[in-house]
Amino acid sequence: SQKIEQNSEALNIQEGKTATLTCNYTNYSPAYLQWYRQDPGRGPVFLLLIRENEKEKRKERLKVTFDTTLKQSLFHITASQPADSATYLCALLNTPLVFGKGTRLSVIA
Amino acid sequence: DGGITQSPKYLFRKEGQNVTLSCEQNLNHDAMYWYRQDPGQGLRLIYYSQIVNDFQKGDIAEGYSVSREKKESFPLTVTSAQKNPTAFYLCASTWGATNEKLFFGSGTQLSVL
Repeated sequence: SQKIEQNSEALNIQEGKTATLTCNYTNYSPAYLQWYRQDPGRGPVFLLLIRENEKEKRKERLKVTFDTTLKQSLFHITASQPADSATYLCALLNTPLVFGKGTRLSVIA
Repeated sequence: DGGITQSPKYLFRKEGQNVTLSCEQNLNHDAMYWYRQDPGQGLRLIYYSQIVNDFQKGDIAEGYSVSREKKESFPLTVTSAQKNPTAFYLCASTWGATNEKLFFGSGTQLSVL
């Protein structure tokens, strides 16, 4: 069966450290993968999209990698801040999009 | 300002009652989606529409109905057949079938009285 899994429900890190979130999938061959941020009681907000022919993409303190051989994407937040605390969702194209359950990140000052 | 608007923010349903959640967008997007989110769960697709007057069932369509009479509007009705309707409902839109960059509304929290 097709599955998209995010490695942990919750991740706590110290301010200033790099947060790394994982998204694994099985039985899909997505053309691209997306990452969204969701704050409590709000709708998700698009962050980054990475295509299957791209190994890495960056946006400010965010970095995403996409390994189609491992069927995995890694999402990094460098120099993390308490304001980065939120749930982060990965999604892949399967017409329509399929979302993972998300990882709740808490950055502790 | 362009965006996607959901209303109401909070909604209460009595047993046996149908309720309708509103979703309007002024982004000129062709595709619109309804997702349900339960605590600690991911987004599950209820219905989606890629063009006016056409829509498809998602993974959990039972107990829900939709219409797409206008490009801007995609209302969701939670019927009395949906026995566990308490959840956070999210509407989203995007330009086309490739689903690049979904824009989400702020959600409607539906609770049962």
